[in-house]
Amino acid sequence: QKEVEQNSGPLSVPEGAIASLNCTYSDRGSQSFFWYRQYSGKSPELIMFIYSNGDKEDGRFTAQLNKASQYVSLLIRDSQPSDSATYLCAGTHGSSNTGKLIFGQGTTLQVKP
Amino acid sequence: DGGITQSPKYLFRKEGQNVTLSCEQNLNHDAMYWYRQDPGQGLRLIYYSQIVNDFQKGDIAEGYSVSREKKESFPLTVTSAQKNPTAFYLCASIISYNGNQPQHFGDGTRLSIL
Repeated sequence: QKEVEQNSGPLSVPEGAIASLNCTYSDRGSQSFFWYRQYSGKSPELIMFIYSNGDKEDGRFTAQLNKASQYVSLLIRDSQPSDSATYLCAGTHGSSNTGKLIFGQGTTLQVKP
Repeated sequence: DGGITQSPKYLFRKEGQNVTLSCEQNLNHDAMYWYRQDPGQGLRLIYYSQIVNDFQKGDIAEGYSVSREKKESFPLTVTSAQKNPTAFYLCASIISYNGNQPQHFGDGTRLSIL
């Protein structure tokens, strides 16, 4: 069973701190990885995606991918209370061209003012 | 505005009843997906379709059925065979199933049993 694993949390950080969200995956064929933010009762919205080893930055967000360690992370700098949400990590389903994604169970982030 | 529209937002099902959830997209996306989300859980794939008139089972297809008669529409029927249908249902689409593209989601339908 191909899996994406996340710590469910909650991860609690003070406002202005760096939040670090982590994800591991079992499918070595996964090519790309996606971070979605989901507010309570709402649908997921795409935050970032990454497909190359290393870091990718977009504003306050940095995604990191290490394919050798099968590890993906999302760093949120200068965390704001509005960042409080569940963050879903997803990876593409192996090398098959289906567009399918495998989702982790999500990490709940709480940013305290 | 381009996007994915799911309806209704809330739906209630009686015992033994089939209900259909609508998903329409005007993004000209090739592939569409249906997921189920239970409280505190990630998304589990029910069915997906890469092209019109073709669809494939996902990980939890039992008790569900779909059709893809038009590119823009991918309705999901929750049949009476699905004994635990209470969940948040999400429809997603992707511009092309080839290549590593992100999926984009509709606003979801919350289904409950009466």
